[in-house]
Amino acid sequence: DADVTQTPRNRITKTGKRIMLECSQTKGHDRMYWYRQDPGLGLRLIYYSFDVKDINKGEISDGYSVSRQAQAKFSLSLESAIPNQTALYFCATSPTSGRARDEQFFGPGTRLTVL
Amino acid sequence: QKEVEQDPGPLSVPEGAIVSLNCTYSNSAFQYFMWYRQYSRKGPELLMYTYSSGNKEDGRFTAQVDKSSKYISLFIRDSQPSDSATYLCAMINSGGYQKVTFGTGTKLQVIP
Repeated sequence: DADVTQTPRNRITKTGKRIMLECSQTKGHDRMYWYRQDPGLGLRLIYYSFDVKDINKGEISDGYSVSRQAQAKFSLSLESAIPNQTALYFCATSPTSGRARDEQFFGPGTRLTVL
Repeated sequence: QKEVEQDPGPLSVPEGAIVSLNCTYSNSAFQYFMWYRQYSRKGPELLMYTYSSGNKEDGRFTAQVDKSSKYISLFIRDSQPSDSATYLCAMINSGGYQKVTFGTGTKLQVIP
């Protein structure tokens, strides 16, 4: 089955460390997204990319950076992790056109804890 | 004020009950409305999608949109324990890049 995968699934790190979360997809979608999910705040968009050469900031991009290495790969980096970046992180994809254009397909999530 | 408001719950109902989940929104540019279901330790999955006022039915699920009141609902008939999950409403505006705005989610537990 075409899928969205995230690695690692769980990560505990310390303040100040650099962390990379990786996302791969076999859906053939051009659009990819990174969200974080916090209790009471819901899903918030960090960065999104419409193709390999396109990177855009979302509503909460401060403290994060991304890299779109290929159509199928989109990585999220925390250059210097801080405790309030403790959250559940989701990668998502969507097609560019067609009836499913508005649907986002989510990976299983990465639970990140910054001590 | 948040663009989308959703009661976080938790909502606990007995098996077989009718469940009503709701969201209100303030941005009149929202034109497309969705409900995602998120099981514990999983990513959200699209459950229902609609772009017009009125009702849309899919099995035990009915999505209702009232654009004049800026209010959307998801009804679950004959609720099952397998419906226990967090339900997120989501909305897309008609202009620009179709950014998705999610509600905070309502946690539902259906008790056998």
